[in-house]
Amino acid sequence: QPVLTQSSSASASLGSSVKLTCTLSSSYIIAWHQQQPGKAPRYLMKLEDSGSYNKGSGVPDRFSGSRSGADRYLSISNLQSEDEADYYCETWDSNTRVFGTGTKLTVL
Amino acid sequence: EVQLLESGGGLVQPGGSLRLSCAASGFTFSSYAMSWVRQAPGKGLEWVSVVSGSGSSTNYADSVKGRFTISRDNSKNTLYLQMNSLRAEDTAVYYCAKIVAAGGTDYWGQGTLVTVSS
Repeated sequence: QPVLTQSSSASASLGSSVKLTCTLSSSYIIAWHQQQPGKAPRYLMKLEDSGSYNKGSGVPDRFSGSRSGADRYLSISNLQSEDEADYYCETWDSNTRVFGTGTKLTVL
Repeated sequence: EVQLLESGGGLVQPGGSLRLSCAASGFTFSSYAMSWVRQAPGKGLEWVSVVSGSGSSTNYADSVKGRFTISRDNSKNTLYLQMNSLRAEDTAVYYCAKIVAAGGTDYWGQGTLVTVSS
């Protein structure tokens, strides 16, 4: 069963950039999701093993994905107040699906 | 526009049962696998179960295996989760989620709260 590791928290200033990390136990395709306070999760993008990504409908250009080795990244540029949220990575195999523990992003 | 609308949550005593429903619209329901994901109060997302587009294949998290049953009625565009032998630790918001072909979750419902308490 795949294991996904995320930092519990991150912070960055309004208008700056941040890169959130999801570390995989093996090579997998992942998805990134955003959960704003009190709301349901929202799909952001699927990040392929090649590092290419496909974003969901309406996801701003400020959001992008990349990879390096076992790490998968979600980058957010020009941070806005509405980006303050929990961010989860997700992966799957033929029998199971797994979510990372989530990173709480604070916009200062 | 894809819409997923859960219902059926509520307060139930330990050992009791509950059936959740998820009404889907805006896409060809039978063509996509669907899953249930839950979130306990103040905690992260936990995958619960997945069902194939035809309904012939299902999988469950170890935490619910043998107690929960996922099913779907493609004629009604509806996903179900039958939850039996409920425990306090099953207390959570339950989300219905659409799965992109051979991939991850691409749409989420708004969730329904299940509280297991005496």
